[in-house]
Amino acid sequence: AQSVTQLDSQVPVFEEAPVELRCNYSSSVSVYLFWYVQYPNQGLQLLLKYLSGSTLVKGINGFEAEFNKSQTSFHLRKPSVHISDTAEYFCAVSAQENSNSGYALNFGKGTSLLVTP
Amino acid sequence: KAGVTQTPRYLIKTRGQQVTLSCSPISGHRSVSWYQQTPGQGLQFLFEYFSETQRNKGNFPGRFSGRQFSNSRSEMNVSTLELGDSALYLCASSPGQGDFNYGYTFGSGTRLTVV
Repeated sequence: AQSVTQLDSQVPVFEEAPVELRCNYSSSVSVYLFWYVQYPNQGLQLLLKYLSGSTLVKGINGFEAEFNKSQTSFHLRKPSVHISDTAEYFCAVSAQENSNSGYALNFGKGTSLLVTP
Repeated sequence: KAGVTQTPRYLIKTRGQQVTLSCSPISGHRSVSWYQQTPGQGLQFLFEYFSETQRNKGNFPGRFSGRQFSNSRSEMNVSTLELGDSALYLCASSPGQGDFNYGYTFGSGTRLTVV
């Protein structure tokens, strides 16, 4: 089974400052990694994903993440945040345990990003 | 292209009742999965369906069930509702099982309140 740990439950940051949201995962098989954002009273929107290949992944809204297999991490970064980035961010992992099983997204507990002027 | 559509958006039910939630995936998507989101437990996987077959199931009691129809639309049912079932229920679709080129696309969810 896979699991995800988001190391910070809340991250306050000033507008135009850089931010990093941390995510570590555990899995015994190869995984797919995702970051989702959730605005109040809405569903989840995909920011970016790592499936294979380049370990630096660029997503929407200026976000990027780096897959580090040795450290089992997938941290999300943005060089300069805006007020509109205030939201809940979820890291998720998916894998197939065996050829007969399906897939499931296992989510971290979420990180609340609060951007203030 | 229409997104993932979940109906209804809001629902209030009484303890002991049952409820059925509906999810219409993006056209052409054949995999549908369901998630429960609560403040205490966060996002938890319920089940995944592909081609009308349940391929994966989370750690929820048997009161939670689901199905998928030939047009890929899916329903989930919760019987004998408990107060703790109050949550946002999210549905997600993807083109095929394990097809993550576009990730999972989520609907806006159904907010279930059990009183």
